[in-house]
Amino acid sequence: QQPVQSPQAVILREGEDAVINCSSSKALYSVHWYRQKHGEAPIFLMILLKGGEQKGHDKISASFNEKKQQSSLYLTASQLSYSGTYFCGTETDSNYQLIWGAGTKLIIKP
Amino acid sequence: NAGVTQTPKFQVLKTGQSMTLQCAQDMNHEYMSWYRQDPGMGLRLIHYSVGAGITDQGEVPNGYNVSRSTTEDFPLRLLSAAPSQTSVYFCASSPGQAAYEQYFGPGTRLTVT
Repeated sequence: QQPVQSPQAVILREGEDAVINCSSSKALYSVHWYRQKHGEAPIFLMILLKGGEQKGHDKISASFNEKKQQSSLYLTASQLSYSGTYFCGTETDSNYQLIWGAGTKLIIKP
Repeated sequence: NAGVTQTPKFQVLKTGQSMTLQCAQDMNHEYMSWYRQDPGMGLRLIHYSVGAGITDQGEVPNGYNVSRSTTEDFPLRLLSAAPSQTSVYFCASSPGQAAYEQYFGPGTRLTVT
């Protein structure tokens, strides 16, 4: 079942902060975060695993609440380059296929 | 390293035609997968492979076939194209199946008329 992302879209001024959420109805093994710019392939940001391990960029922060099966991506002091659509993908213990959310479109204005 | 390459970049097919989308990676990754992305939507898994000679179905496999004869190549075949298969197709590879970074190819934009 597809994870639910919120909000669907957000518009920020440069320097403002944003939080993007991803929730699942299933028990998760991992949550992946990717950013995609228009007409391009998705680019890896971070993986969060149950148990607390994280893999990814030092400048991107995210959290994974295993009890609620929710993850949040924190974008602080946003830059114009942060614009794009952010996708979360989830894996469960029983099925390691990545199932993707519908995306959150982030627009950063100068 | 070229990473993950896909050909062609663009393709227009008529309903009923067949074609093969090519995908290759030079990172010696065991896991490869094919996704389709429709406008305003996330990625949906079509087929995947955990190694040469091993393939399995994803969420939306109908109308597509795959094979994996080598570690490097993972072609996707459309058997009889339908307008519902108009989409952007991404191939991805990773060192393993679970909790690994996915490396995506540049995509193939397919239009079926």
